[in-house]
Amino acid sequence: KAGVTQTPRYLIKTRGQQVTLSCSPISGHRSVSWYQQTPGQGLQFLFEYFSETQRNKGNFPGRFSGRQFSNSRSEMNVSTLELGDSALYLCASSLAYRGDEKLFFGSGTQLSVL
Amino acid sequence: QQQVKQSPQSLIVQKGGISIINCAYENTAFDYFPWYQQFPGKGPALLIAIRPDVSEKKEGRFTISFNKSAKQFSLHIMDSQPGDSATYFCAASRRWGGADGLTFGKGTHLIIQP
Repeated sequence: KAGVTQTPRYLIKTRGQQVTLSCSPISGHRSVSWYQQTPGQGLQFLFEYFSETQRNKGNFPGRFSGRQFSNSRSEMNVSTLELGDSALYLCASSLAYRGDEKLFFGSGTQLSVL
Repeated sequence: QQQVKQSPQSLIVQKGGISIINCAYENTAFDYFPWYQQFPGKGPALLIAIRPDVSEKKEGRFTISFNKSAKQFSLHIMDSQPGDSATYFCAASRRWGGADGLTFGKGTHLIIQP
């Protein structure tokens, strides 16, 4: 069974640009959540999608957005990139996200903003 | 506001020794406490988890101890091996607030010396 796939693996952008990251969950998983990982702040929850609906969002500015498609694949978008957006962006999937369900993480997309 | 505090930041243990990582939480609504293990270049993977109705859970060499009154929980790795060298994150969530996401500690970089 394939794991969670995130593309691209690495991205380099400049300030002011926008970026789209992609996540393919494990087959059959309907919940996809996104996390930002930085050395200073650690892992922080961005948002969670279930059946194409965003159910909750973490404490991030509106420049961070996402969506989920009918096949459960998800994308996240960051507009007007800032230097501080440089981070590892992780996607995690689960069957039908309940707070105590096991999350399966992808290897992440490493975003560098210059 | 950091809702889950993790210590130490880094830890060096001799092979065969016991590794101990501690976490404290503030939000009394949390009722699910997982530990994740992350190797370089990979996403976090669930190691072991506990609910507050038990004070201890053991899986192989890994044990979680939980103190509800003190709002603290810890991970013990017995007979630590070089392959255990990784970054460990404690986390917390509400079981029935699945869309809230996990709140992570800032991680402990564990090195097991041969």
